[in-house]
Amino acid sequence: GDSVTQMEGPVTLSEEAFLTINCTYTATGYPSLFWYVQYPGEGLQLLLKATKADDKGSNKGFEATYRKETTSFHLEKGSVQVSDSAVYFCALSGDLDSSYKLIFGSGTRLLVRP
Amino acid sequence: GAGVSQTPSNKVTEKGKYVELRCDPISGHTALYWYRQSLGQGPEFLIYFQGTGAADDSGLPNDRFFAVRPEGSVSTLKIQRTERGDSAVYLCASSLSAGTKLFFGSGTQLSVL
Repeated sequence: GDSVTQMEGPVTLSEEAFLTINCTYTATGYPSLFWYVQYPGEGLQLLLKATKADDKGSNKGFEATYRKETTSFHLEKGSVQVSDSAVYFCALSGDLDSSYKLIFGSGTRLLVRP
Repeated sequence: GAGVSQTPSNKVTEKGKYVELRCDPISGHTALYWYRQSLGQGPEFLIYFQGTGAADDSGLPNDRFFAVRPEGSVSTLKIQRTERGDSAVYLCASSLSAGTKLFFGSGTQLSVL
């Protein structure tokens, strides 16, 4: 079945460092890909998404490109801030009849130190 | 309220007891979802409602779990004869319609002792 694998955390960075969180997926058909973020004490929030190959999702300085040839959707940010400390989840949803169902990775905790 | 509301935020119960978890979706959202997040894992799909009906309950782990949405708004997740393995955060989400952006609540932390 469909699945998402993301790098284990925690990832600890200094402020202004470059961030990459790896995510790869296995899916049939043409899934949509997502990054969700969970700040401490808050609910999951959609960070960005991409719905087809070579699309780039971006938001709040974060970017991820849908790479069908490598089945990847790595999250990047050029300069992280302390406020980016959170847990990041990569996810996919199937196409057509299963577009409503999200399959999540296990999450990567990011800690940014001042 | 402006967001998805879940109550209670924490629930502690004893093995074998019955529990109900409530979700108030964003007003006007026809689609509602329940997910379960075990410690150190990502959320796992449980059930999806479109309006009042459960369109997909394939994620419910067994027949001890049941969910309703009688008026197409508030939903209740019901767990009978709770087991320690049911301990997790239960997340509710809603969206305008199926496949559109999901808005998640903060979850109910269920602890079965």
